[in-house]
Amino acid sequence: KAGVTQTPRYLIKTRGQQVTLSCSPISGHRSVSWYQQTPGQGLQFLFEYFSETQRNKGNFPGRFSGRQFSNSRSEMNVSTLELGDSALYLCASSQGQGAYNEQFFGPGTRLTVL
Amino acid sequence: GENVEQHPSTLSVQEGDSAVIKCTYSDSASNYFPWYKQELGKRPQLIIDIRSNVGEKKDQRIAVTLNKTAKHFSLHITETQPEDSAVYFCAAAISGNTPLVFGKGTRLSVIA
Repeated sequence: KAGVTQTPRYLIKTRGQQVTLSCSPISGHRSVSWYQQTPGQGLQFLFEYFSETQRNKGNFPGRFSGRQFSNSRSEMNVSTLELGDSALYLCASSQGQGAYNEQFFGPGTRLTVL
Repeated sequence: GENVEQHPSTLSVQEGDSAVIKCTYSDSASNYFPWYKQELGKRPQLIIDIRSNVGEKKDQRIAVTLNKTAKHFSLHITETQPEDSAVYFCAAAISGNTPLVFGKGTRLSVIA
């Protein structure tokens, strides 16, 4: 099976702009989770979608939002970008919802905010 | 909510030596503890996990131990090899319906 894919792989934006990141899960996987990875904070959970519904949400401001489509593909949107949003954004898919299911990570989208 | 602390943040060992990474968690209700390995420039991958009803689990050169009383769990790598060099993340979850909470990672360097 093809692995998790993310597009784009790299993005450069300026403060105040918005950005949309895309994640295509492994075929048959219905859950997609998003994480922010920074050198100092490790992997921080943003949200999880399962069957087009947000099931869990991390401690991030409302500028971070997401959605999941009927084919399980997911998008993440960040509005009004801030310098601190610069990070590697990873998505991970799993067969079922929740932590007990192995997370298969994508290669990430590296976002740089200038 | 759950909080996971991971130590050390960096670790260097000689090839063939053992490496130990320790994590502590705050919520005694946590019952699932996976470890992910992220090689340089690559995506994290699950290498081993343990449930709270098990005290130890082994898979070849890696093992994980859990001490529920002290609320800590550790990753043990024996006979380290250069390909073990990576960032290792521990995580904990309270239930199957809650998300994983990750530690901040440990960068392991195995020196040949």
